[in-house]
Amino acid sequence: DTEVTQTPKHLVMGMTNKKSLKCEQHMGHRAMYWYKQKAKKPPELMFVYSYEKLSINESVPSRFSPECPNSSLLNLHLHALQPEDSALYLCASSHLLTSSWNEQFFGPGTRLTVL
Amino acid sequence: ELKVEQNPLFLSMQEGKNYTIYCNYSTTSDRLYWYRQDPGKSLESLFVLLSNGAVKQEGRLMASLDTKARLSTLHITAAVHDLSATYFCAVEETSGSRLTFGEGTQLTVNP
Repeated sequence: DTEVTQTPKHLVMGMTNKKSLKCEQHMGHRAMYWYKQKAKKPPELMFVYSYEKLSINESVPSRFSPECPNSSLLNLHLHALQPEDSALYLCASSHLLTSSWNEQFFGPGTRLTVL
Repeated sequence: ELKVEQNPLFLSMQEGKNYTIYCNYSTTSDRLYWYRQDPGKSLESLFVLLSNGAVKQEGRLMASLDTKARLSTLHITAAVHDLSATYFCAVEETSGSRLTFGEGTQLTVNP
């Protein structure tokens, strides 16, 4: 299995809702990432997990809460989002942070709209 | 802070023509990646370049890396419409796992 899967594909939520994005990979990768991408812009790194521990938090607002239950799964919990948080949320994975290279494989993304 | 600059940002070309996209970066690194993104889709890994002088080719695309000049190029040969997409280069900082992306080059190949 050489792919990263994400659910849901699309999500519309109000500013008072709580929702979660899910990401899964079965490539044995030990690093997993969340990115946010606005239209016509490059992906912006949000969080990095290495061996199921949070290793990088790019000063993301607390209304975004990541969770890595095991080495194959990555969640992003959303609460009290703002309309400007509407974007494509991409999950990625890679082998190991200490390997000789760090090719990241991206999931299909969740298109999030906050009303 | 690592900066990655791509140019051009927009490229409209005719089928059958050749062109090159440039990716410059500001600090020492010998690991560079090229990704393709179709509208509304995710990023697809195209090339992994891991050393000075590395050259990789896949179909009509060829990527190279010159670490001394801090420059990578993505050369398109005899473009076809199917190559229309946004192309990102990403540089891995030698100190860790973070990828720093360029702004992307939006390529349109016209019949």
